[in-house]
Amino acid sequence: SQQGEEDPQALSIQEGENATMNCSYKTSINNLQWYRQNSGRGLVHLILIRSNEREKHSGRLRVTLDTSKKSSSLLITASRAADTASYFCATEPANDYKLSFGAGTTVTVRA
Amino acid sequence: SAVISQKPSRDICQRGTSLTIQCQVDSQVTMMFWYRQQPGQSLTLIATANQGSEATYESGFVIDKFPISRPNLTFSTLTVSNMSPEDSSIYLCSALTGDLFFGPGTRLTVL
Repeated sequence: SQQGEEDPQALSIQEGENATMNCSYKTSINNLQWYRQNSGRGLVHLILIRSNEREKHSGRLRVTLDTSKKSSSLLITASRAADTASYFCATEPANDYKLSFGAGTTVTVRA
Repeated sequence: SAVISQKPSRDICQRGTSLTIQCQVDSQVTMMFWYRQQPGQSLTLIATANQGSEATYESGFVIDKFPISRPNLTFSTLTVSNMSPEDSSIYLCSALTGDLFFGPGTRLTVL
């Protein structure tokens, strides 16, 4: 079942600006992952943050995790047109290996 | 990491027919999964494809409608049987090897 809830549903920003999206979930997790999907194609794994981690960086991506609030955020800094995509969070439950995906945030970066 | 290919990449099918989607991984993996992504929606897990045994289906999905084969550790097929327009979706194969990797998806349109 779908556990993650993401907001906003859609985001439109100017190139060079930062984009922030949030993900909330309901049950205890082993880890939370963020994926990108371009134009209805396959998903690309961006970053994984474990339940005992609070922040993680990868290039222009910064992910935070607050397990007390059951929420995570993905920040894309200095956005580029190529960052235009849908972004999904996915949680791995504490008692299962199957990922549950959020509804996704559609990001449009205007040149 | 894993590179996953799917065939076909897209198809347009008539109501009542069946379509078999193939998924090939470039390395041996223990766990493979099939997801469905309906238009504008997030990903929903259909089933776990188990090598050498029957697939494990999620609630709302049955073997008669979505038969799955997993003859070896690098290959799986998903058949969408007796299709109706409601089956129009992107079907994604994924493999767990450290992280979860996804194929490019098969975009199915049922008329």
